[in-house]
Amino acid sequence: GESVGLHLPTLSVQEGDNSIINCAYSNSASDYFIWYKQESGKGPQFIIDIRSNMDKRQGQRVTVLLNKTVKHLSLQIAATQPGDSAVYFCAETIYGQNFVFGPGTRLSVLP
Amino acid sequence: IAGITQAPTSQILAAGRRMTLRCTQDMRHNAMYWYRQDLGLGLRLIHYSNTAGTTGKGEVPDGYSVSRANTDDFPLTLASAVPSQTSVYFCASSVLLGETQYFGPGTRLLVL
Repeated sequence: GESVGLHLPTLSVQEGDNSIINCAYSNSASDYFIWYKQESGKGPQFIIDIRSNMDKRQGQRVTVLLNKTVKHLSLQIAATQPGDSAVYFCAETIYGQNFVFGPGTRLSVLP
Repeated sequence: IAGITQAPTSQILAAGRRMTLRCTQDMRHNAMYWYRQDLGLGLRLIHYSNTAGTTGKGEVPDGYSVSRANTDDFPLTLASAVPSQTSVYFCASSVLLGETQYFGPGTRLLVL
């Protein structure tokens, strides 16, 4: 998608391997976090969310981990598939106000 | 219609012209948002609406205006376009303000 830029960090993984995408968030008071996936030419798509009272949440093939001590969020994708190739970015918010989106990480799945 | 639609898909616009980007959702969501997305940057909020009849300014509101006459529609107007408004514009909605947002496919705007 047009969100991607020349300077986006890129993660390349082999098909079938697990992927870990990281996000450092800015505000220690943020209480809600979302991971989005954006494929080329499309709008962001919700993947999974987590609230600050949790450390881990699992979905289908995806897991989000939250480490509030170091303000770090990660998205784990199990058995990465070619269809997972996209830009992934996190968003944080405090009490639902002023969502702040990260610039994203490009995931490239190698055959 | 299922979800959020935006129109046009893309547009080339001469500087100084007026342009309205359209956004419609059929999910009966109360809150709607407009973002711009630029190369190398994250999404930046332009304007939002908590519910029909109310709007608020986001991070980068200058040069843009919005209206929310009903639940479904949330048009974004550029009164006099400038080249710095070249971007991809995304509309989003959520059940309530601050909850998970669902995005439209985007409008790619080039201002010359």
